[in-house]
Amino acid sequence: SYELTQPPSMSVSPGQTASITCSGDILEYKHASWYQQKPGRSPVLVIYQGTKRPSGIPERFSGSNSGNTATLTISGAQAMDEADYYCQAWDNPTVVFGGGTKLTVL
Amino acid sequence: EVQLVESGGGLVQPRGSLRLSCAASGFTFSSYGMNWVRQAPGKGLEWISYISSWSSTIYYADSVKGRFTISRDNAKNSLYLQVNSLRDDDTAVYYCARELISGGVVPFDYWGQGTLVTVSS
Repeated sequence: SYELTQPPSMSVSPGQTASITCSGDILEYKHASWYQQKPGRSPVLVIYQGTKRPSGIPERFSGSNSGNTATLTISGAQAMDEADYYCQAWDNPTVVFGGGTKLTVL
Repeated sequence: EVQLVESGGGLVQPRGSLRLSCAASGFTFSSYGMNWVRQAPGKGLEWISYISSWSSTIYYADSVKGRFTISRDNAKNSLYLQVNSLRDDDTAVYYCARELISGGVVPFDYWGQGTLVTVSS
């Protein structure tokens, strides 16, 4: 089985840019998806197929890929973006989540 | 409006069993594969199992293989997870989640609110 590695935590000042990374060998040939989860709530999909944004997700959320690393970027972070973020990838027959990154906006 | 509502969680003793359910509405259930994902208290997300739209393809995480069984009833718009031989580390909130693209498995575009399973004597 493979793993996806994320930094456990990071912080950003309001209005600044947050970049959350996700590293793993599988990302060399598979796209990552990203989820946002606020305390006590279910996860919400914010990026899929590496760079696509579902309807209703603000434009400040974007995704990119380089080699074995996927990055979720939040441009102009807001207090409401404070949450846990998880990357995800699929390699038949297994779905894997990264360990999650707790983003603090302060 | 797409809705997924889990039920069936509760307190169960080690080595016990439960059947979790996920009632789907607001979309053509038989057109989408479905997943179960769990989250232990204070921990991250863990994918458990996937079932394709007409049950022809099923996958399990190694951690639950042989103990958990996923199934669905398209006539009832329902997804199930039979959980057997429960252990302390199975304690978690269990979510059902829909695949965004039919047959794609990932990503998951809709999630239920979750049902809590607590394994304790």
